Amino acid sequence: KQEVTQIPAALSVPEGENLVLNCSFTDSAIYNLQWFRQDPGKGLTSLLLIQSSQREQTSGRLNASLDKSSGRSTLYIAASQPGDSATYLCAVNELRDDKIIFGKGTRLHILP
Amino acid sequence: DTGVSQNPRHKITKRGQNVTFRCDPISEHNRLYWYRQTLGQGPEFLTYFQNEAQLEKSRLLSDRFSAERPKGSFSTLEIQRTEQGDSAMYLCASSFSIRTDEQYFGPGTRLTVT
Repeated sequence: KQEVTQIPAALSVPEGENLVLNCSFTDSAIYNLQWFRQDPGKGLTSLLLIQSSQREQTSGRLNASLDKSSGRSTLYIAASQPGDSATYLCAVNELRDDKIIFGKGTRLHILP
Repeated sequence: DTGVSQNPRHKITKRGQNVTFRCDPISEHNRLYWYRQTLGQGPEFLTYFQNEAQLEKSRLLSDRFSAERPKGSFSTLEIQRTEQGDSAMYLCASSFSIRTDEQYFGPGTRLTVT
């Protein structure tokens, strides 16, 4: 059974710092991995999608990497801003079952 | 707005009542997904449709839950005889046909069962 773990569960950093969020998954048989952002009480906003054949994707200040063999992904946020404060969720699209499995998320707080 | 929409945004109901939620996906998307999210957890998959066909249902989807997508466009999720444990955010997402496509989420419907 696929399990997705995100570490840390919560993180507070001063504005301007670079930071890394971690995601690990137990079964490497995946189609892709997606990072989402969720603001309190709101839906999910897709940030980056990495296909299983890719190593990384970049969008603005965000960079996501994927090491499928080791079951790990990281989301790197450069020059953090208070507006980056949110919960960041990692999700894997399994090969075996046609479903998306989410981690519990990392609650990020950027201190002004 | 051409994103995924969900209605209502909030629903408060008494235990034992039936509720129905609606999801309107992005118009050209063939796949539609339902998820449930409780506080402090990631979304949990409930079911998904390819056009009007319901292709998979999670074991989380008890007999009290039913989902439809009659014309391959909007979808409804009905919960019968609601229980307090049903209180959660219900999220809908849509994507193009291919499994590798990105999912786009709606704002969710927050259900509170009193």
